[in-house]
Amino acid sequence: AQSVTQLDSQVPVFEEAPVELRCNYSSSVSVYLFWYVQYPNQGLQLLLKYLSGSTLVKGINGFEAEFNKSQTSFHLRKPSVHISDTAEYFCAVRIPLEYGNKLVFGAGTILRVKS
Amino acid sequence: DTGVSQNPRHKITKRGQNVTFRCDPISEHNRLYWYRQTLGQGPEFLTYFQNEAQLEKSRLLSDRFSAERPKGSFSTLEIQRTEQGDSAMYLCASSNDRVEETQYFGPGTRLLVL
Repeated sequence: AQSVTQLDSQVPVFEEAPVELRCNYSSSVSVYLFWYVQYPNQGLQLLLKYLSGSTLVKGINGFEAEFNKSQTSFHLRKPSVHISDTAEYFCAVRIPLEYGNKLVFGAGTILRVKS
Repeated sequence: DTGVSQNPRHKITKRGQNVTFRCDPISEHNRLYWYRQTLGQGPEFLTYFQNEAQLEKSRLLSDRFSAERPKGSFSTLEIQRTEQGDSAMYLCASSNDRVEETQYFGPGTRLLVL
């Protein structure tokens, strides 16, 4: 079975500071990796995804993530955060079609940006 | 491309009542997914459709839940005899059927069962 662990439930950070949100996954098959952001009372918005190729992927709003196969991690980073980045962030793996074709999400990390 | 839409956005009902939610996917997407998100948790998969065929159902989807996608376009999720434990955000997502498919989510329907 596949699982996703987001190591921090909440991350407080000051505006313009760098941030890293950690994600580890477990899977016996190859998976695709995603980060989504959820603002209060809204659905999920795709930040970035790793499908293949370069292990460093860049997404919207200045976020990037690095896929590390040996450590089964896909940590999200931003060099300088803004107040508007305050939201909940979800890491997810997509299981290939032959194994069920669904997203498995972590429990989420709330990023709180303080001025 | 107007994105995935869901109606209603909020629903308050009394225990034992039936509720139905609707999802309209992105027009060219042939796959449609339903997820449930409870407070403090990530979304959990419920079911998915390829066109009008329901191809997988989670064990979370009890016999009180039924989903349809009759013409391969919009989908409905019905919950019969609602229970307080059904209170959650119900999210719909759609995608195409390419290998590199990405699921795009709607705004969700928040259900509160009193």
